[in-house]
Amino acid sequence: QVQVVESGGGVVQPGRSLRLSCAASGFTFSSYGMHWVRQAPGKGLEWMAVIWSDGNNRYYADSLKGRLTISRDNSKNTVYLQMYSLRGEDTALYYCARDVGTRAFDFWGQGTLVTVSS
Amino acid sequence: QSALTQPPSASGSPGQSVTISCTGTSSDVGGYNYVSWYQQHPGKAPKLMISEVTKRPSGVPDRFSGSKSGNTASLTVSGLQAEDEADYYCSSYAGSDNYVLFGGGTKLTVL
Repeated sequence: QVQVVESGGGVVQPGRSLRLSCAASGFTFSSYGMHWVRQAPGKGLEWMAVIWSDGNNRYYADSLKGRLTISRDNSKNTVYLQMYSLRGEDTALYYCARDVGTRAFDFWGQGTLVTVSS
Repeated sequence: QSALTQPPSASGSPGQSVTISCTGTSSDVGGYNYVSWYQQHPGKAPKLMISEVTKRPSGVPDRFSGSKSGNTASLTVSGLQAEDEADYYCSSYAGSDNYVLFGGGTKLTVL
């Protein structure tokens, strides 16, 4: 069955960087775009970034441009999110999700929690 | 780019119908037929309920339906059931500059 599993979260100090990973299984990973979406505690969903199936196209939310890099390794069925200059407002549950092909996300992981705190 | 606009709350009694709106602009909701709706129960990951404005993924009850008029999309839940109580989020493709926008979410209460 289709699965995506995020990892890499934890407590990080303000100003530091962090890399999240999302391991996929149960489908042909190299055929799908993959997204990162986050949700701050008690808040709504915020789209962050997408990387197309071949890794050649990437897009970022305007508010986060310059502080993110999304990448993927199709040989490892894994997508990554590198975040820089972390701030308190980056504290959130970070989800990885598969793009069904129409900018809709049909499979989501359970998320990995990032807490930015000194 | 601002998030899409949803009412913060909606409610209905079991068996009734409720409609949740999602208002954007001609650069997102009105410009593309790539509006999606997600259901999220507390402590759970979101679940895709509607894609491409009106399409229901396999396994989603036909009580859930989507539509769009101009810059506003809508999700209608008919024959409300207790398990429909959840947060609902809309999203829309917004072009290569912003790619995807989410609405702020609507908490649906089944009275």
